[in-house]
Amino acid sequence: KAGVTQTPRYLIKTRGQQVTLSCSPISGHRSVSWYQQTPGQGLQFLFEYFSETQRNKGNFPGRFSGRQFSNSRSEMNVSTLELGDSALYLCASRRAGNTEAFFGQGTRLTVV
Amino acid sequence: QQQVKQSPQSLIVQKGGISIINCAYENTAFDYFPWYQQFPGKGPALLIAIRPDVSEKKEGRFTISFNKSAKQFSLHIMDSQPGDSATYFCAATGNFNKFYFGSGTKLNVKP
Repeated sequence: KAGVTQTPRYLIKTRGQQVTLSCSPISGHRSVSWYQQTPGQGLQFLFEYFSETQRNKGNFPGRFSGRQFSNSRSEMNVSTLELGDSALYLCASRRAGNTEAFFGQGTRLTVV
Repeated sequence: QQQVKQSPQSLIVQKGGISIINCAYENTAFDYFPWYQQFPGKGPALLIAIRPDVSEKKEGRFTISFNKSAKQFSLHIMDSQPGDSATYFCAATGNFNKFYFGSGTKLNVKP
């Protein structure tokens, strides 16, 4: 059974650019959550999607956005990149009604 | 305000020893408390989880102790092995849509 797949694994972008990250959940999982992981702030919740609807949102600026497609795949977009956006971005998927959340390996974003 | 506080930040244990990591929370609406293990370059992997209706849960060498009145829970790793060297995160949630994570504990098990 395939796990959560995140692409790309690594990205280097320049300040001011925008970036799109992709997450394919485990088959049958309809909930996808995104987290930002940094050494200073740890793991912080960005947003959660279920059946193409954003159900919950963390405390991040509007430059961070996401969406979910009908096949449950999700994308997150960060516009006008700042140096502080450099982080490991993780997505987690979960089956509806189930407590266990499974994480992908993450996308390492470096903003220069 | 940090919803989940984790300690210690780092921990060194001899092989065969017991590793203990502690977490405390404030929100009494939290009702699911998982622990995740993360190796360098990997995403967090679910290790063990507990709900507040039990005071202890054991899976192999890993045990969660839960104190509802103190709003604290801890992870015990018995017979710690060098392969257990990783960063451990506690977490808490009340609606499963949003997890609050502790700051992480870097465990180093010396052979």
